[in-house]
Amino acid sequence: AQKITQTQPGMFVQEKEAVTLDCTYDTSDPSYGLFWYKQPSSGEMIFLIYQGSYDQQNATEGRYSLNFQKARKSANLVISASQLGDSAMYFCAMRLYSSASKIIFGSGTRLSIRP
Amino acid sequence: DTGVSQNPRHKITKRGQNVTFRCDPISEHNRLYWYRQTLGQGPEFLTYFQNEAQLEKSRLLSDRFSAERPKGSFSTLEIQRTEQGDSAMYLCASSLLTSSRETQYFGPGTRLLVL
Repeated sequence: AQKITQTQPGMFVQEKEAVTLDCTYDTSDPSYGLFWYKQPSSGEMIFLIYQGSYDQQNATEGRYSLNFQKARKSANLVISASQLGDSAMYFCAMRLYSSASKIIFGSGTRLSIRP
Repeated sequence: DTGVSQNPRHKITKRGQNVTFRCDPISEHNRLYWYRQTLGQGPEFLTYFQNEAQLEKSRLLSDRFSAERPKGSFSTLEIQRTEQGDSAMYLCASSLLTSSRETQYFGPGTRLLVL
């Protein structure tokens, strides 16, 4: 069965420091995509970054980068130079291309940035 | 604003009442998804449409739930005879199926409280 595991329920980080949010996934399908979403207290899920299973390079989007280690089935999100506005819930998610287009989400990590 | 919109943003109802939520996707997107998110969890897939066709429904979608997308644009999600267990955030997402890098963009959600 497909599964996303986020083992850090909550994290505190000092402003301007880098932070790594952990994500491991489980699937036997060779073709899949991995996503990270941010959910502030307002509730909206904001797309951050995408990594395809066949992508050769790790994805980067501004201050966000995805540390993709396929053999370990991990897709950690790295946020550089954290800002107060980064405080939110962060969800790792996966979509399989062989079946329906639904996204499977992890349970999330609540990130709090200290000034 | 060209993002996904949802109405209402909040709904309080009494047990046994019917409720209907609306989702307006990004205009050129041909796929539309509904998810449910309970407190402290990641979103769970309910159903999705490609244009007008409802292509998949989760086991979570009981007989009391029905979703429509009559003209392939906006969608409605109706819950009949609401129960307290239906209290959750209902999220809508849309995407454009053009490649394997299909990304779902979410609306702000409708928060339902059943008393």
